[in-house]
Order: sequence, then structure tokens, then C-alpha cells
Amino acid sequence: AQRVTQPEKLLSVFKGAPVELKCNYSYSGSPELFWYVQYSRQRLQLLLRHISRESIKGFTADLNKGETSFHLKKPFAQEEDSAMYYCALKQGGSYIPTFGRGTSLIVHP
Amino acid sequence: GAVVSQHPSWVICKSGTSVKIECRSLDFQATTMFWYRQFPKQSLMLMATSNEGSKATYEQGVEKDKFLINHASLTLSTLTVTSAHPEDSSFYICSAIDIRRGRNYEQYFGPGTRLTVT
Repeated sequence: AQRVTQPEKLLSVFKGAPVELKCNYSYSGSPELFWYVQYSRQRLQLLLRHISRESIKGFTADLNKGETSFHLKKPFAQEEDSAMYYCALKQGGSYIPTFGRGTSLIVHP
Repeated sequence: GAVVSQHPSWVICKSGTSVKIECRSLDFQATTMFWYRQFPKQSLMLMATSNEGSKATYEQGVEKDKFLINHASLTLSTLTVTSAHPEDSSFYICSAIDIRRGRNYEQYFGPGTRLTVT
């Protein structure tokens, strides 16, 4: 069975500092990895997916199959980045992602 | 992007009563809707998957007689919490997709419904 691990419940950084939200997964097949974000009092929304290889709001994430990781990174954090971030995995043939427990990112001014 | 709404956004009910939560896809047809439960500062727990016109598929450990799900149309799914108890108090989130658009189609989430059982 697939599993998504986000080891940090809370990550606190200052504005302008680099940020890395960790995500590790366990899945025997070829996974699809995603990052979702939930800003305060807003709905969950897709931030980025590994197949797109895109940068959204300055965030990037690279799938490392050797380390089974999909860490989310941003070189310079902004206050508006404060939110809950969820890493998610979809196994082949499924429409349903499995979510990690989430990491709360707080960016201090 | 597509919009998914939920109603009500917040509901308080007495223990033993039932409460219905609606999930609507406003500008697209949702062949499949998902119901999640989210505890404070914790992950989303998938409760069930509903496909339009058929019975919902419940995840292990979720009581189907307690959490009744109906997906009668391509734009509406309802979750009814029957005989609610305080431990059912939670944040319930629905999401919707149109699987006819392919596996890469994005899953859109509703804003959630806060249920408080007193």
C-alpha cells in the first residue's frame, strides 16, 4: 500500500529565508506526486504536480525516485506563503490521492 | 478553474439528530465525488467515493449506515450524518472530478463544512 510521510508538523521561517517542506513516500509502482496548499480559511487547492515540472509561486518540487522523496522548495519565503501544505500520491490507475498529514508553514515578517 | 461548493459551511446539531451536507459542482459535471474528514491540523481522511448513479464505496472503518452518501446527479452529492454524536464533530470536505476528462484532470475541492455536535 502507498504511504506519504511529511515528517514536520510545523515549519517556521523568517521572510526571505529558504524553505523546504519534506515529503517521502512508499509505493512500489510509478507514483504521481502532488503538493496541495490550504491557505487560512480557504479551500484546498493543487499547488503543483511532478509530471508538470513547473514552478508555481516560486515553489518547485523534484521527484527523487532513489530517495523516494518529493520535497517542496522555495528559495525565498514570503509571508503570504504561510499555509498548510499537503503532499499527495496517486498510484497508477487511481483517481484518488493519498495525502500526507500536512505541514504548517509559518513565515514570520 | 472549476468550482465546488458545499452547503452549509457550518452547522451545529444536537446529539442524536441527523444532518445533511451538500456538495455541488457549479460549472462542470462531476462523475465522481469524494468525501473527506479533516481533523484540526491533520491530514484529510478519505471516507468514501461516490459515482453518479451508483452506490458509494466506503473506506475501511467508515460506517456506511452512519454516513449516508447519495450522488443522484452529475452536479450534486450529499453526505448525511445520521444519529450524530459529539465524536462526529469535524470538518468535512468534498472534492469532485470528471473522470471522462482523463486521469490527469484536476480534483477540485469544496470549502468544507464544519460540523459541531452538541
